[in-house]
Amino acid sequence: DQQVKQNSPSLSVQEGRISILNCDYTNSMFDYFLWYKKYPAEGPTFLISISSIKDKNEDGRFTVFLNKSAKHLSLHIVPSQPGDSAVYFCAASGYNQGGKLIFGQGTELSVKP
Amino acid sequence: DAGITQSPRHKVTETGTPVTLRCHQTENHRYMYWYRQDPGHGLRLIHYSYGVKDTDKGEVSDGYSVSRSKTEDFLLTLESATSSQTSVYFCAISDRHRYEQYFGPGTRLTVT
Repeated sequence: DQQVKQNSPSLSVQEGRISILNCDYTNSMFDYFLWYKKYPAEGPTFLISISSIKDKNEDGRFTVFLNKSAKHLSLHIVPSQPGDSAVYFCAASGYNQGGKLIFGQGTELSVKP
Repeated sequence: DAGITQSPRHKVTETGTPVTLRCHQTENHRYMYWYRQDPGHGLRLIHYSYGVKDTDKGEVSDGYSVSRSKTEDFLLTLESATSSQTSVYFCAISDRHRYEQYFGPGTRLTVT
């Protein structure tokens, strides 16, 4: 049973516009959420995180929004750049998961010049 | 970047042979993890370690074993490789369990 889901396998956006990547979760005990970015032939790199006590966290062009009632989080990238083209994974953790991160399937973002 | 290396980076092996992948860190982080990445599945945890000689199973541990005799090294062993274990394997480290983890470059394993 997939506890963390990214329902869009791919997303294409024009350079300069906003990219919105979505992630849904089913376990209400998750209380910490992360986004990772992965380029081909490289390991995932940590991008941004958010605790369940917040509903928004910003870091430069990247903002993560958390809607606990909907069990939904999203990553906004503004403005999108061609170098943002990568696979993005969301992940979640909670005390009832033994401290482990549970990852979504990933969304491949393509930013076109 | 966190100091994590994985070896080998690529390996082709035959069904039934044992395979050991190595993860080495220079960050002195307590927690180490092994994941596999497959299309449509994202990253799935195989095993993890919360200290020297302390390990536990993850989501997809069948057919894999691990060992950690030193803080800096975490070994993943496929006792008898099968074609279903063809995958990309990532090691990760963390100094805070269940928070940010930092990943190595990966090992692409092909079992023929």
